Amino acid sequence: SQQGEEDPQALSIQEGENATMNCSYKTSINNLQWYRQNSGRGLVHLILIRSNEREKHSGRLRVTLDTSKKSSSLLITASRAADTASYFCATESDNAGNMLTFGGGTRLMVKP
Amino acid sequence: NAGVTQTPKFQVLKTGQSMTLQCAQDMNHEYMSWYRQDPGMGLRLIHYSVGAGITDQGEVPNGYNVSRSTTEDFPLRLLSAAPSQTSVYFCASSYSSSGETQYFGPGTRLLVL
Repeated sequence: SQQGEEDPQALSIQEGENATMNCSYKTSINNLQWYRQNSGRGLVHLILIRSNEREKHSGRLRVTLDTSKKSSSLLITASRAADTASYFCATESDNAGNMLTFGGGTRLMVKP
Repeated sequence: NAGVTQTPKFQVLKTGQSMTLQCAQDMNHEYMSWYRQDPGMGLRLIHYSVGAGITDQGEVPNGYNVSRSTTEDFPLRLLSAAPSQTSVYFCASSYSSSGETQYFGPGTRLLVL
């Protein structure tokens, strides 16, 4: 079963626009992580946000976490064609023995 | 550092055959894990290890065995391959099992006929 569910499943935008992806989960968590996967490659870690944090930034990435709504969002500002990839959220919780549970991902396409 | 390496990159098996997917990391990470990724889906945890000599089952362990005799290596064995095991397999490692970035290998694409 998947703890995290991303929305939308697919997103197509023009270069320079912002992209927002959402993740919802079901149980309480210790932290939530976002990963990027380029086609045919492994996953690359983007940001980890802990359950007592509400927002984190890294370059053009902004992640928010609302534990009351059990949701997180990933915002990519001023998108570039190189941002084209699949983005996954993953949750870590005591319920799952601290294992990471991944959602199904959002496929982002940034058109030049 | 080479990071997390996986071999082979691609493998074709016939139903019933066995094989071992290799995973190695040179970052002295205690925690290692195996995931499978099916088309259009996220990753599902197969087995994981919190240190040498310790392994445990993840979400989808059936049909797979693991061992962890050294900190560096974490092989995944398919005992009797089935078409349902056609997937892309990723190995990952991190310093610990909690609150840490996981580093992923490039993946092994497995096709079972």
